[in-house]
Amino acid sequence: DQQVKQNSPSLSVQEGRISILNCDYTNSMFDYFLWYKKYPAEGPTFLISISSIKDKNEDGRFTVFLNKSAKHLSLHIVPSQPGDSAVYFCAARANNAGNMLTFGGGTRLMVKP
Amino acid sequence: DSGVTQTPKHLITATGQRVTLRCSPRSGDLSVYWYQQSLDQGLQFLIQYYNGEERAKGNILERFSAQQFPDLHSELNLSSLELGDSALYFCASSSGVGGNTIYFGEGSWLTVV
Repeated sequence: DQQVKQNSPSLSVQEGRISILNCDYTNSMFDYFLWYKKYPAEGPTFLISISSIKDKNEDGRFTVFLNKSAKHLSLHIVPSQPGDSAVYFCAARANNAGNMLTFGGGTRLMVKP
Repeated sequence: DSGVTQTPKHLITATGQRVTLRCSPRSGDLSVYWYQQSLDQGLQFLIQYYNGEERAKGNILERFSAQQFPDLHSELNLSSLELGDSALYFCASSSGVGGNTIYFGEGSWLTVV
């Protein structure tokens, strides 16, 4: 049973446009959500996070939106750059599970010049 | 560079064998986590140690074990290896036991032949 799902395995976007990566979850105990970016041959790198008490968090070109009622979050990248091409993982943490993260399957983003 | 160091980076071994993966956390981090990423799968949480004590356990097989030493480095032992154990094994660390950003190492590629 996948508690965190990223239904789009890949996404292709033109440079300068907006990239929207989506993530759905099922566990209502999740109260903290994170996005990680992963380049080939490297470990996942923390990108941005959001607590369940917020519905939006912004950091430069990256914004994460959380819709608790829909159990859905999204990562917006504006404007997209070729260097953003990577695999993006959504992760969630439950309030009763310490710091254990549950990851989605990842979405491969390709930003074309 | 996340500050989390994993060795070896690549390892090829035969079925039935035993291997040890090593991880040095970021300086000052007390928590160490192990994750497994198989082909076509997201990151699966295996186990967490905090200051030498097991803190949380995920989908870790009985053939696998881990420990965290007094100097806070950790080892993941994989025994009676099967072809399906071929995967990328990530170590990660954080400063506390919960509520902190987790930083990942570059991973250890294990291939079982």
